[in-house]
Amino acid sequence: GQSLEQPSEVTAVEGAIVQINCTYQTSGFYGLSWYQQHDGGAPTFLSYNALDGLEETGRFSSFLSRSDSYGYLLLQELQMKDSASYFCAARENQGGKLIFGQGTELSVKP
Amino acid sequence: DAGITQSPRHKVTETGTPVTLRCHQTENHRYMYWYRQDPGHGLRLIHYSYGVKDTDKGEVSDGYSVSRSKTEDFLLTLESATSSQTSVYFCAISPPSGRHEQYFGPGTRLTVT
Repeated sequence: GQSLEQPSEVTAVEGAIVQINCTYQTSGFYGLSWYQQHDGGAPTFLSYNALDGLEETGRFSSFLSRSDSYGYLLLQELQMKDSASYFCAARENQGGKLIFGQGTELSVKP
Repeated sequence: DAGITQSPRHKVTETGTPVTLRCHQTENHRYMYWYRQDPGHGLRLIHYSYGVKDTDKGEVSDGYSVSRSKTEDFLLTLESATSSQTSVYFCAISPPSGRHEQYFGPGTRLTVT
C-alpha cells in the first residue's frame, strides 16, 4: 500500500531545534515535500527534496534519503508562531499527485 | 499569495442532495487539485486536472466527479452527498515547473446531515 508515517505530536521550547521524521512507501516516487498548516488555515508549501541530501531555507531545512525511504524537516530557532501541523507529502507521478502523511502537530512552549 | 478562491466557504446540505464546489484561480496554472481533509487522515487527493477537460482520479475518488471547462475553474461535484463526505475540501494549484509545490485555497467546510 501507499503510506507516509510521521509522529502525531512533537513538543519543544522556544529557541530550540526540532526534527520531524517521515518514512514513506509509495508506488512511484519523485520527491518529498513539506507543508505547514496553522489551525483552520490552508496548507502552505515549505520545501521539497527530489534528490538525496539537505535543502536549507532560512530556519527550515529538509533532508531526504531515497535508499532509506526517509526524510525529515528540521526547524531551528523555534518561535511561538511555528506552532502548527506539519505534513510530509510524497510526489507520486509527473502530474504532481501527492500522498500526504497524517501530519505532526508541533507545540512550541515558552 | 496565489490567486485561488473557493466557493462556497461553508455549506450544510442534506443526505442525497447534489453539491458542487467551485475552485477559481487567476494564475493561469495548468495543474489543479481537489483534496479532502479529515481528522486523523491528513489531506487526501480526490481528483486532479492537468488541463482543460483533462482529469484523473486520486486516492479517494469514489462518489465524486470533476469538470474543467476553463483553465481558471475546477468544479467538484458530489452527485448524492453522504454523511461520510462531511469534510473540509481544499483546492490547490501548481505551476508546471513545480508540481510538487502546490498552493492551496482557503477551503470549503461541508457538512452533510
